[in-house]
Amino acid sequence: SAVISQKPSRDICQRGTSLTIQCQVDSQVTMMFWYRQQPGQSLTLIATANQGSEATYESGFVIDKFPISRPNLTFSTLTVSNMSPEDSSIYLCSVEGPMVLGYTFGSGTRLTVV
Amino acid sequence: KQEVTQIPAALSVPEGENLVLNCSFTDSAIYNLQWFRQDPGKGLTSLLLIQSSQREQTSGRLNASLDKSSGRSTLYIAASQPGDSATYLCAGRGSTLGRLYFGRGTQLTVWP
Repeated sequence: SAVISQKPSRDICQRGTSLTIQCQVDSQVTMMFWYRQQPGQSLTLIATANQGSEATYESGFVIDKFPISRPNLTFSTLTVSNMSPEDSSIYLCSVEGPMVLGYTFGSGTRLTVV
Repeated sequence: KQEVTQIPAALSVPEGENLVLNCSFTDSAIYNLQWFRQDPGKGLTSLLLIQSSQREQTSGRLNASLDKSSGRSTLYIAASQPGDSATYLCAGRGSTLGRLYFGRGTQLTVWP
């Protein structure tokens, strides 16, 4: 299965600032997915990032708050903009592998906004 | 929209017990179902993937079953160990290309 390198692994940020999270995959993939996991909650899909086109955002998530880049088939970034304490979560990127392997996730970015 | 529910939310057992974790989903048109393990503050590790055409998958002490008609999947853990302590998440891949729908997880604690 694909190997995903995600960084940073954690960060503590001041409210009002922005943080960019990076995901690097060791193989070319068509779609990359960005999820958020708020404390005590399950994973919620933020957006799907396709190379060469705008990301597709889920209901409740907007590009101004969570801009995504997808410059090539192995890399994507998610920016959390103008952060507030409510943005404190674990953010994870994911790719879908071959049919028999399912999805692989990055190790996550634990964000705390103070 | 697919909705996934996991029961119980938390489970605490002594070492050596056999466990069953339950997952139910509302849309039987599921493409596949995947079980993950998540350690505190960490990412997800894939445990088992069951395609819609399959009934079960096994890996070591883990066995997962899928019953599309009843909208249920179970994860069976044999001879539990303290190292099995983690949150277990099930996720269904719907017919829409690419996205997973997650349950809220079962937090498992296995004590020595």
